[in-house]
Amino acid sequence: EIVLTQSPGTLSLSPGERATLSCRASQSVSTSYFAWYQQRPGQAPRLLVYGTSNRATGIADRFNGGGSGTDFTLTISRLEPEDFAVYYCQQYGASPRTFGQGTKVEIK
Amino acid sequence: QMQLQESGPGLVKPSDTLSLTCTVSGGSLGTYYWGWIRLPPGKGLEWIGYVSYTGSTDYNPSLKSRVTISLDTSKKQFSLNLNSVTAADTAVYYCARLSGTTFSAFDIWGQGTMVTVSS
Repeated sequence: EIVLTQSPGTLSLSPGERATLSCRASQSVSTSYFAWYQQRPGQAPRLLVYGTSNRATGIADRFNGGGSGTDFTLTISRLEPEDFAVYYCQQYGASPRTFGQGTKVEIK
Repeated sequence: QMQLQESGPGLVKPSDTLSLTCTVSGGSLGTYYWGWIRLPPGKGLEWIGYVSYTGSTDYNPSLKSRVTISLDTSKKQFSLNLNSVTAADTAVYYCARLSGTTFSAFDIWGQGTMVTVSS
């Protein structure tokens, strides 16, 4: 099983600031099979990025995914109030599909 | 616009079977894959498994001995059965669609349903 470790656990930032979230895999993951999701309180997860760097339909261009091998990042260029949420990474190239434990982006 | 909605009991007794159904509206089951994911309190997301439009399945090995996911195309539904539940199975359960083949992200999610395992 591929274990995904997200860091930091919590990120405290102000609106307008840049957020950088990391996800490290226990073994190499193809860039074709890596995604990021956002989960706001009381809501279902929402797909942000798939294939490492492809934004899902309707996702703002301030969300950018990157990385390769075992290290992947999600960058939010300028935080909007609605971006304060929990973010999960996922690999879907190997079974079982696995998620990271999440990074909470909170208002400083 | 396609929407997914989970339904089922919110409370299940230990050792019983947890049964949930996901109803698809605004589109057909088509040639997609359909999955279940759960979020235990205070923890991260856990992939449970999926069923394909052909009925083939893949499950998380940690749950494989207890889980069954099935498809009912006539009702536009797919279901999750998890037997011999314990308190560790308490979670919000989500149904979701894979955006393409089995090697796809989940692009449409249901709103989730909380299931508590308790006597």
